[in-house]
Amino acid sequence: DVKVTQSSRYLVKRTGEKVFLECVQDMDHENMFWYRQDPGLGLRLIYFSYDVKMKEKGDIPEGYSVSREKKERFSLILESASTNQTSMYLCASSLGQGIIGTGELFFGEGSRLTVL
Amino acid sequence: SQQGEEDPQALSIQEGENATMNCSYKTSINNLQWYRQNSGRGLVHLILIRSNEREKHSGRLRVTLDTSKKSSSLLITASRAADTASYFCATDKVDTGFQKLVFGTGTRLLVSP
Repeated sequence: DVKVTQSSRYLVKRTGEKVFLECVQDMDHENMFWYRQDPGLGLRLIYFSYDVKMKEKGDIPEGYSVSREKKERFSLILESASTNQTSMYLCASSLGQGIIGTGELFFGEGSRLTVL
Repeated sequence: SQQGEEDPQALSIQEGENATMNCSYKTSINNLQWYRQNSGRGLVHLILIRSNEREKHSGRLRVTLDTSKKSSSLLITASRAADTASYFCATDKVDTGFQKLVFGTGTRLLVSP
């Protein structure tokens, strides 16, 4: 069974702390994504990666960075957490299909982050 | 920026009834996908329809796509309480060199026994 695993389901952090959200997929997918989900705003893309050590900014990259040192792992980093980063964070992966079209995304269960 | 917008935002029906959700988008697409999300969980892929397809079925799900109107609909027939969830459409953009999906804000479906 395919699986995307996010390391923490719930986190509570303080303003200014550095936060790491880890995501691991076991499907040998080339592409990995980080979204955040907020009520009324849907899912918004933060960063994505189409290969090891490669990354691209999504729609809302400010305040975030990412790391992809291994194909199966994609980490989201909040260098200095702020209260407006309180959100649900969703990691996803997909097969690489070039520019023909985006295939199915497989999502993790999400990490709900609260920044106090 | 939002590419897809679902309508209605919320839908409440009885078990056995059909549920129809609509999605409108702004730019040309390669394909459109529908996802389901149970409360507090990740999204699960339901169905993908390509831009050259007009209709697709999967079990109790029927998806239509009208590229001239830039819209899609998801029909769930004979709904069950277990169908209670949020449903999202997602589209990619033809002019991007990278794979990324843009999601709408979702339709919350409540199916009452």
